[in-house]
Amino acid sequence: GAVVSQHPSRVICKSGTSVKIECRSLDFQATTMFWYRQFPKQSLMLMATSNEGSKATYEQGVEKDKFLINHASLTLSTLTVTSAHPEDSSFYICSAFLTGLNTEAFFGQGTRLTVV
Amino acid sequence: SQKIEQNSEALNIQEGKTATLTCNYTNYSPAYLQWYRQDPGRGPVFLLLIRENEKEKRKERLKVTFDTTLKQSLFHITASQPADSATYLCAQNYGGATNKLIFGTGTLLAVQP
Repeated sequence: GAVVSQHPSRVICKSGTSVKIECRSLDFQATTMFWYRQFPKQSLMLMATSNEGSKATYEQGVEKDKFLINHASLTLSTLTVTSAHPEDSSFYICSAFLTGLNTEAFFGQGTRLTVV
Repeated sequence: SQKIEQNSEALNIQEGKTATLTCNYTNYSPAYLQWYRQDPGRGPVFLLLIRENEKEKRKERLKVTFDTTLKQSLFHITASQPADSATYLCAQNYGGATNKLIFGTGTLLAVQP
């Protein structure tokens, strides 16, 4: 199956700094990727849709200036959490699909962000 | 808005028994439903997809049903093993032609040896 690689798997940063998370599709091209966040014992909440070569589409309530998304190539999307605060601590996960609709999602391993 | 509900209570069963997990959806009739497995600290892994015109789908020890009248999907694991212990997530597509998925809260399954 398709492989999505996410890096780093864990990161601890100081409040006020920025953190970049990378999501790569290793053996396929992904014009669209999705970013989720997940709090303990809660569901995955969709944050935004990352579109190759164009602006990301953010879900209602997600601050686009806080969570910067760049999808500069067909295999890489990045999520930058700017001016991170402790409430941004969460598990961030990306996903991608093979070509077509109504197919399964391939997820990265996730990134555990802790802001201290 | 679309909503998916899964039993938030953990499900504890004995090894060898059949585990049955429930997923109920409201406010939207999805074209398909998907089931994923998530282990602690990991991203979800796809298990099965069932379309609205399919009543049942099987894969090895897994079986999924889709009842559009009840707006419900059931996920079964037969001959369960301790290695099946994980959180199982139900997901549906957002309205329209999109690969965006909305997830349920998941059900934690614990299979006791």
